[in-house]
Amino acid sequence: TQLLEQSPQFLSIQEGENLTVYCNSSSVFSSLQWYRQEPGEGPVLLVTVVTGGEVKKLKRLTFQFGDARKDSSLHITAAQPGDTGLYLCAGEKVGTYKYIFGTGTRLKVLA
Amino acid sequence: SAVISQKPSRDICQRGTSLTIQCQVDSQVTMMFWYRQQPGQSLTLIATANQGSEATYESGFVIDKFPISRPNLTFSTLTVSNMSPEDSSIYLCSVGGGSENTGELFFGEGSRLTVL
Repeated sequence: TQLLEQSPQFLSIQEGENLTVYCNSSSVFSSLQWYRQEPGEGPVLLVTVVTGGEVKKLKRLTFQFGDARKDSSLHITAAQPGDTGLYLCAGEKVGTYKYIFGTGTRLKVLA
Repeated sequence: SAVISQKPSRDICQRGTSLTIQCQVDSQVTMMFWYRQQPGQSLTLIATANQGSEATYESGFVIDKFPISRPNLTFSTLTVSNMSPEDSSIYLCSVGGGSENTGELFFGEGSRLTVL
């Protein structure tokens, strides 16, 4: 059973546009992470959010953890072709040290 | 950080055979995780492997199909037994994770398995 639903599933935009990816669940998580994966490689961590309502910024990327620690969003400003990839949220199951991954959002930024 | 090496990087196998995937880490870690990523999809956790104890499997995965070894703190193997085309997937080894560590998961490049 997939606990984390991401939307949209696919996104193709022009360079310079803004976008938001959502990660939603009915479960509470101890922490939530966002990863980006490129073809032929394993996922690479972008950010970890721990506190409900927390907002973190990483250059053009803004991450938010929901107040109830059940959902998160990733906003990219002025997208660039280098942002192309598979974006995955991952929630830490409470008390388990294990991460469950979301359904994924495949982003393509066109030059 | 951790550097993870997986072998084989890819393989093509016949239905009914078994394949063992190796995962080597450059540092000692308590927990190792095995994930499966089917083409174009996200990662699904198969099991957690702790040194000195049996692996813990997630719902839908069983030891008979995916036996795991964890002989020491830097190495683990995952065997995919009696393979069928539905087992065609990328298998990823991961370390780290959770509140016990820094929270970051480090991944190998994966083992791409194709079953004919």
